[in-house]
Amino acid sequence: EDQVTQSPEALRLQEGESSSLNCSYTVSGLRGLFWYRQDPGKGPEFLFTLYSAGEEKEKERLKATLTKKESFLHITAPKPEDSATYLCAVKTSGSRLTFGEGTQLTVNP
Amino acid sequence: DVKVTQSSRYLVKRTGEKVFLECVQDMDHENMFWYRQDPGLGLRLIYFSYDVKMKEKGDIPEGYSVSREKKERFSLILESASTNQTSMYLCASSSARRNEQFFGPGTRLTVL
Repeated sequence: EDQVTQSPEALRLQEGESSSLNCSYTVSGLRGLFWYRQDPGKGPEFLFTLYSAGEEKEKERLKATLTKKESFLHITAPKPEDSATYLCAVKTSGSRLTFGEGTQLTVNP
Repeated sequence: DVKVTQSSRYLVKRTGEKVFLECVQDMDHENMFWYRQDPGLGLRLIYFSYDVKMKEKGDIPEGYSVSREKKERFSLILESASTNQTSMYLCASSSARRNEQFFGPGTRLTVL
């Protein structure tokens, strides 16, 4: 059974304090790893797709990386508006995604 | 721009009522999904559809049914709403060629 575990569950940072969120996975044949951002009361917003170990994607202060067992979402010099829950998901076969439970990030000014 | 819309942001229903949640996407996507999201349980797949009139059960289909009569529209039906179906319901769509799912804004359903 595919499993996705995100850590930490919650993270509090000061504005400008860089950090990383982790997504570890146990799957039989990864066919894509996805990062989403979700604001309270809203639907998840797609951020990145990674397909193979060593791949990196960047968007503003966010950079996602992928190894054979985990993915990291690095946040550089975060701002309060980066506060959200970040979800990771994996695709193994078919059209379904398996989601982790997310990391709730709070960035204090 | 990618667009998935859901018929209601907030809905309050009574136990035993039949409830329809509608989702429309304008991206000509083949795949559509219904999830529910609850604190501590994450996103759980209820049903999905990979083509018109096709449907497959997800992880928690009990108490729900779906309908996909047109490619752009996917409906979730609660035949007889119960209090344990109080939740945030999220619709998503994806292309058969690409894997990213795009989500709607969600419907917060409360069953009294």
